[in-house]
Amino acid sequence: EVQLVQSGAEVKKPGESLKISCKVSGYTFKSFWLGWVRQRPGKGLEWLGVIDPADSDTIYGPSFEGQVTMSVAKSINTAYLQWGSLKASDTAIYYCVRRGDGLKSWAFDFWGQGTLVTVSS
Amino acid sequence: EIVLTQSPDTLSLSPGERATLSCRASQSLTSNFVSWYQQKPGQAPRLLIYSASNRATGIPDRFSGSGSGTDFTLTINKVEPEDFAVYYCQQSGRLPALTFGQGTRLDIK
Repeated sequence: EVQLVQSGAEVKKPGESLKISCKVSGYTFKSFWLGWVRQRPGKGLEWLGVIDPADSDTIYGPSFEGQVTMSVAKSINTAYLQWGSLKASDTAIYYCVRRGDGLKSWAFDFWGQGTLVTVSS
Repeated sequence: EIVLTQSPDTLSLSPGERATLSCRASQSLTSNFVSWYQQKPGQAPRLLIYSASNRATGIPDRFSGSGSGTDFTLTINKVEPEDFAVYYCQQSGRLPALTFGQGTRLDIK
């Protein structure tokens, strides 16, 4: 069974750094790209980017290039999303997603449960 | 960036009726890489349809997708009580600008 299990909720102050995680199981880690999707409170979905776990190649959405960093740790089947300096506008639920393959390429076929990040002074 | 506009914003139907949700792209999507997702309150979205018309694993056949170019449609035949949720379309034809529509809320009438 494919599972994407994300780290727990975080409360941070503006300017602080943060790294959240997504541990996958149920398939070969390096075989599928992983990505991140943001959902601000009461709002829609926004794509941050994707990373290829095989070689850490990344594609960032235009709005998020330079704002966040995606990475992976192959030895523990885990993807990460990190911020160097959080802003209040980063307050959102962040979903880890798996990019499908073949005809499902660029569809996100499995989702993590979401990590709520709250940034407030 | 390709903008996806979903309509209507809210659709109010009774169980058993047919739901037709629209997703219009600001530019033609030559690859037809359009997906649809369902999101219920407090849950992560779930993939329903990929490549415009293919149902994801485990999705009931009352859900169907169609369309090409700039106009795409998600149809739910005979809406069930568990189908009341928010639905998002998503395109990935012009990377790196993968985008989602703003969502359509399907409400019980």
